Amino acid sequence: SQTIHQWPATLVQPVGSPLSLECTVEGTSNPNLYWYRQAAGRGLQLLFYSVGIGQISSEVPQNLSASRPQDRQFILSSKKLLLSDSGFYLCAWGQGRASEKLFFGSGTQLSVL
Amino acid sequence: GQSLEQPSEVTAVEGAIVQINCTYQTSGFYGLSWYQQHDGGAPTFLSYNGLDGLEETGRFSSFLSRSDSYGYLLLQELQMKDSASYFCAVNSGTGGFKTIFGAGTRLFVKA
Repeated sequence: SQTIHQWPATLVQPVGSPLSLECTVEGTSNPNLYWYRQAAGRGLQLLFYSVGIGQISSEVPQNLSASRPQDRQFILSSKKLLLSDSGFYLCAWGQGRASEKLFFGSGTQLSVL
Repeated sequence: GQSLEQPSEVTAVEGAIVQINCTYQTSGFYGLSWYQQHDGGAPTFLSYNGLDGLEETGRFSSFLSRSDSYGYLLLQELQMKDSASYFCAVNSGTGGFKTIFGAGTRLFVKA
């Protein structure tokens, strides 16, 4: 069966510090991968998605970047965090011809202070 | 761009039926899906509609009308554990891989 791992669960970082969040998927090959951010009580904002190694589509952020160095690994990074980067970060992989069904990791609660 | 609209809150009593509506605007529409999220947890997939009509999965059903850019999630025989946030999401863009979520509907189930 497929599983998705995301870590850490909680992270507190000072403004201006770097960020690296990692997500890995097991039990499937060539998954479509996603990074979302969720503010408290709000919807999910699509940040990046990837349909293959080295293929990254960026939706929103100016301060964040994503990389996919291996088939089942998706990394979210920042060189210098801003206060506005705080939020709940969720990694997901998509099942189906058009990723009709997304499976989410357990999320990382990031607080930038 | 894409936009989705759904009510911010819905309240219903245990055992009742509730319908959560979703209207969307997007280009390259592939389908509409629904997710449930409990406080502090990650979203979990409930249902997907790629074609017009009704899809039924146990107590949950979902409907899509592509011509109206409209869909809904129907929850029957409500239970207290159904209290959660419900999100509609559209698959769009090249290949349909771009999945955009609505702001979510908070469902409160009362005894």
